[in-house]
Parts: sequence; structure tokens; C-alpha cells
Amino acid sequence: GDSVTQMEGPVTLSEEAFLTINCTYTATGYPSLFWYVQYPGEGLQLLLKATKADDKGSNKGFEATYRKETTSFHLEKGSVQVSDSAVYFCALSDRSNTGKLIFGQGTTLQVKP
Amino acid sequence: EAQVTQNPRYLITVTGKKLTVTCSQNMNHEYMSWYRQDPGLGLRQIYYSMNVEVTDKGDVPEGYKVSRKEKRNFPLILESPSPNQTSLYFCASGPGTPNTGELFFGEGSRLTVL
Repeated sequence: GDSVTQMEGPVTLSEEAFLTINCTYTATGYPSLFWYVQYPGEGLQLLLKATKADDKGSNKGFEATYRKETTSFHLEKGSVQVSDSAVYFCALSDRSNTGKLIFGQGTTLQVKP
Repeated sequence: EAQVTQNPRYLITVTGKKLTVTCSQNMNHEYMSWYRQDPGLGLRQIYYSMNVEVTDKGDVPEGYKVSRKEKRNFPLILESPSPNQTSLYFCASGPGTPNTGELFFGEGSRLTVL
């Protein structure tokens, strides 16, 4: 079945460092891809999405490009802030009408001043 | 304010004691869903509903029930909770299925079954 694999965490960075969180997926067909973020004590929020190959999603300085050839959707940010500390989830949604998001296991990011 | 509201936020209960976690959204969304979050496993879908009176199983429906009598409410029912249902539960809603639009999540309900 479809699945999403994220890099193991936690990831600890200093403020202004470059961030990459790897995400690869396995899916039949052409899924939509998402990054959701979960701040401490809160529910998940959509960070960005891409619905077809080569699309780039971006929001709040974060970017991810839908790479069909490598089945990847890596999250990047050029300069992280302490306020970016959170858990990041990569997810996919297939093209069926089931309404299901398949999530990776989540990657915890801690940014130190 | 647009939101998804879950209650209770925290609950400790004992094996076999029926409980209901309520979920309500004020965005007139047709789609609603329940997920559970466990360490190392990410979020897994329990049940979902495409509209009023339409519900279907997700990946881990065993031990749970849902109902969708009104558009805004989607309660999760544990008829006879067991310790393996100790988890963090999230309700989510959306204007369409996830591949067409954003999902909005509640703040979560942390359940402990002793």
C-alpha cells in the first residue's frame, strides 16, 4: 500500500541554519503531497502542498518540490528561527475519493538560539 | 473564529468504561475524520465521513464507532476501551477530500486507558 517515510529525528539546529527534512513516498498513481506542522500542544496545520510533479509548494519561508523521479518531497528552509521548533509531518493523499491522508512518522525540529 | 473543537482534551479512564470524544466544527465542512497519533507511527486514520449520515472505516477502526447525524458534529465512541487505545486523538475537517483541500485539525484529545 501507499506509504510515507521521513528522516529520523530529532533534528537540532542553531538559529539561522539551513534546514532539510527528507521525505520519500511509495504510491500507485500520482498522489498529492503535503507538509503539516504541529506546534507544541496544538493540532496539525497545513504548511504547504503540491498536487503534481515538479510543483513547488512554499509558505513562511519553507519550500518543497514534488520530485516524481525520486519519489521525494523534501522540506527546506534557508534560515530557521526558534519559532520553527515543532513536529513536521509529510503526508500524501491518493486520487481516490476515500479522503485519507497517509502520514509519515513525523520529524521533531528543535532550533536553539 | 474558524475552528475544530474537541472535548475532552485530557481523559484518564479504566478498561471497559464507555466514553465519547466529541468533535465540532464551525466551518460548514462536509468532510470530517478521526486520527490517532502514536510515537513512531505518525497519524493513522480511524474513521471518516464525507457528509451527513455517510461514514466509512479508515485504517484502524477496530474498537471505535462514529456517527454523523449533523454536519458540524462527528463524535468518536469507544464502547469498551482497552489499554491499546491509549493515544492522542485528532479530529479534522475539510471542505472536500484531502487531495482537493486543506484539512483543519482540532487541538487533540489525550486518552489514557488503565
